[in-house]
Amino acid sequence: GAGVSQTPSNKVTEKGKYVELRCDPISGHTALYWYRQSLGQGPEFLIYFQGTGAADDSGLPNDRFFAVRPEGSVSTLKIQRTERGDSAVYLCASSADTSEAEQFFGPGTRLTVL
Amino acid sequence: DAKTTQPTSMDCAEGRAANLPCNHSTISGNEYVYWYRQIHSQGPQYIIHGLKNNETNEMASLIITEDRKSSTLILPHATLRDTAVYYCIVRVSGNTPLVFGKGTRLSVIA
Repeated sequence: GAGVSQTPSNKVTEKGKYVELRCDPISGHTALYWYRQSLGQGPEFLIYFQGTGAADDSGLPNDRFFAVRPEGSVSTLKIQRTERGDSAVYLCASSADTSEAEQFFGPGTRLTVL
Repeated sequence: DAKTTQPTSMDCAEGRAANLPCNHSTISGNEYVYWYRQIHSQGPQYIIHGLKNNETNEMASLIITEDRKSSTLILPHATLRDTAVYYCIVRVSGNTPLVFGKGTRLSVIA
């Protein structure tokens, strides 16, 4: 079946601009996660949705970052007033609602802020 | 912060077993050991997980010491396609975020 998909695969923007990154999880997966990965580092947790609600947003670095999942499937990560330090690969993962559920990752969106 | 420590890098000859160690001396009784890997330019991929018993699946085996303070991921016959960064993660059950360290960069050499 289809895996997690993310669009766009690459996004280049200018400092100060607004960007939206999209994640389509595996159908039926109630849990959805966003991570950010800088060069040479492991992925870093940003936010976790259970259904439509953000169950844990403790990883969001500041209030320029916001994410939504209005219908409990597709999620959008929104970054306002982008900064060069926001450049990274943004990864999305989804999992079923079971106790030991593995997370399935998408290919990521590479964001470059010039 | 990650609760695991792993070697930065390892090499393995193609066709041989790759044994990747992980220390998790502060693991709690309700935490599982998970392994993921990340091939270049791809998202992480789940490999295997366990609580206290050894586990095996089609990809790998996971050996957890009796005191649960360390574990070893074994790829029985490494191929060039197994070249990746391997992450060892401890995590409670349920839907919780993964906390990644820097992992071990495994290079499989022909």
